[in-house]
Amino acid sequence: ETGVTQSPTHLIKTRGQQVTLRCSSQSGHNTVSWYQQALGQGPQFIFQYYREEENGRGNFPPRFSGLQFPNYSSELNVNALELDDSALYLCASSLAPGGNPGANVLTFGAGSRLTVL
Amino acid sequence: DAKTTQPPSMDCAEGRAANLPCNHSTISGNEYVYWYRQIHSQGPQYIIHGLKNNETNEMASLIITEDRKSSTLILPHATLRDTAVYYCIDNAGGTSYGKLTFGQGTILTVHP
Repeated sequence: ETGVTQSPTHLIKTRGQQVTLRCSSQSGHNTVSWYQQALGQGPQFIFQYYREEENGRGNFPPRFSGLQFPNYSSELNVNALELDDSALYLCASSLAPGGNPGANVLTFGAGSRLTVL
Repeated sequence: DAKTTQPPSMDCAEGRAANLPCNHSTISGNEYVYWYRQIHSQGPQYIIHGLKNNETNEMASLIITEDRKSSTLILPHATLRDTAVYYCIDNAGGTSYGKLTFGQGTILTVHP
């Protein structure tokens, strides 16, 4: 059973640029959630994808967008990067949402660390 | 914002039990309590969850008070590898599944 893999592990961008982060979900999981973790803080929920559609969003602006593919992998895109976007971006996969508390058992990847200069 | 409160840091000697408290005084009847931990340079790792009964698995035990307003995560024999940030989260499921609200957590340091 493979876990959640994310790429790239580290990247540096400048203000105004765009970035795409990628995530492969754990085998058997069809739901992907993305989190942003600033230094010294807990992870903050960005959005969730289920059946290739956004299924809930946290308090993040529209320049944060995502995709989910038929194989359940996912991308996080951030446009017009700002300095405050510097953070660890975590992808987590899980079972389908709804009806089962086990759906909150998330498997996280190691994250992609983004630095915006 | 997180609805749980935890002490910012705790210490524990290797081989001893680590007892990590969490207050969730506003928890509603259908909300479960979940515990995750995050070891340095890794993503969070699920530990255990419960509703109102005590739970135990291969990693830890979870003790939930009868009024459900607080809980304690117990690592029975802490090792140096248990040094991590521990997060206590309550979540009602439904449309909130997978959308966890993490607080600051407790930094547990296990000493030799």
